[in-house]
Amino acid sequence: DVKVTQSSRYLVKRTGEKVFLECVQDMDHENMFWYRQDPGLGLRLIYFSYDVKMKEKGDIPEGYSVSREKKERFSLILESASTNQTSMYLCASSAGGGLTDTQYFGPGTRLTVL
Amino acid sequence: EDQVTQSPEALRLQEGESSSLNCSYTVSGLRGLFWYRQDPGKGPEFLFTLYSAGEEKEKERLKATLTKKESFLHITAPKPEDSATYLCAARSYSNYQLIWGAGTKLIIKP
Repeated sequence: DVKVTQSSRYLVKRTGEKVFLECVQDMDHENMFWYRQDPGLGLRLIYFSYDVKMKEKGDIPEGYSVSREKKERFSLILESASTNQTSMYLCASSAGGGLTDTQYFGPGTRLTVL
Repeated sequence: EDQVTQSPEALRLQEGESSSLNCSYTVSGLRGLFWYRQDPGKGPEFLFTLYSAGEEKEKERLKATLTKKESFLHITAPKPEDSATYLCAARSYSNYQLIWGAGTKLIIKP
């Protein structure tokens, strides 16, 4: 079974803090994704990575950055947290192109910025 | 513009009352249509992938079908544990990203 883990289930930070969210997958997947999910807005893609050290912006990259130094690990960084970044953050991974591009999700991190 | 629309937004059923959830899509060259289940406070759980019109897949009380314009998630004789939000997403050959619907919240009353 594919397993995607996220470093925290719940996180509370203060405005202006630098925040790191980490995601690890154990299936040697090529692709990894960071989404945020807000009521009424659905899942929105922040960044994705299709290879180590490679990254692509999604629909809402402003205020975020990412790092992928190892294939199994994909980190989301909030450089200076703001209250409008309070959300559920979801990490996902997929094997690659072709018919195996099903995304598998982690349990999510509920981030609150005060 | 690629778009995925789910209906209804919410659906309340009695236990055992069968029904269907709809996912309409406009995608330039469908590469795959995905269904997920999401419980409150958790990440989406993969259910099905459909690739071509006419394809059907089943898992327990759920059956997903696909036409050239929409997909249906049929739920037969549902139980309270089937209560969740069901998400669908589409991927085209021209875009790396999944296009997500807003979800249908399904509530099954005992």
